[in-house]
Amino acid sequence: SQTIHQWPATLVQPVGSPLSLECTVEGTSNPNLYWYRQAAGRGLQLLFYSVGIGQISSEVPQNLSASRPQDRQFILSSKKLLLSDSGFYLCAWDRDRGSPLHFGNGTRLTVT
Amino acid sequence: AQTVTQSQPEMSVQEAETVTLSCTYDTSESDYYLFWYKQPPSRQMILVIRQEAYKQQNATENRFSVNFQKAAKSFSLKISDSQLGDAAMYFCAYRSAGLNAGNNRKLIWGLGTSLAVNP
Repeated sequence: SQTIHQWPATLVQPVGSPLSLECTVEGTSNPNLYWYRQAAGRGLQLLFYSVGIGQISSEVPQNLSASRPQDRQFILSSKKLLLSDSGFYLCAWDRDRGSPLHFGNGTRLTVT
Repeated sequence: AQTVTQSQPEMSVQEAETVTLSCTYDTSESDYYLFWYKQPPSRQMILVIRQEAYKQQNATENRFSVNFQKAAKSFSLKISDSQLGDAAMYFCAYRSAGLNAGNNRKLIWGLGTSLAVNP
């Protein structure tokens, strides 16, 4: 069966520090991968998606970036965090347009 | 552009009773997918149910069922025999089934309905 791992679960970082969140999927190959952000009490905002190694599409221009160095690895990064980057970040994967998204457990990021 | 509206920010239900969460959407497409996701206090997003627009039969998953009205663009979720563990945020989502790769990737999300289950 397929599983998705996302870490860390919680992160507190000062403004201006770098960020690296990692997500890996097991049990499938060539998944579509996604990074979402959820502000408190709000819906989900798609940040990035990837349909293959090295292929990244950005949905929202900001100081975040994403990379997919391996087929089942998706990384969310920032060189310098802003206060507004605080939120709950979710990684997800799916196989095709008809299949549902499967989510990781999320990372709660607090920028102080 | 497609939109998804959940008009009930908060709902409550007594344990063992039935509750219906509403979701409407706007699209000019004829082929698409609809989903309900549950987000409990742990904040993990869990798929509840999935509906294919070209299927007229309403999807069901145990105590969860949908009332899919394509002409009305309505996709409500019914939870029967509510349990304390059903307390969560529920999100409705839409995805195009069209061939445009960009459209396919994005789920359009509602803002969610917070469901409380009273013992």
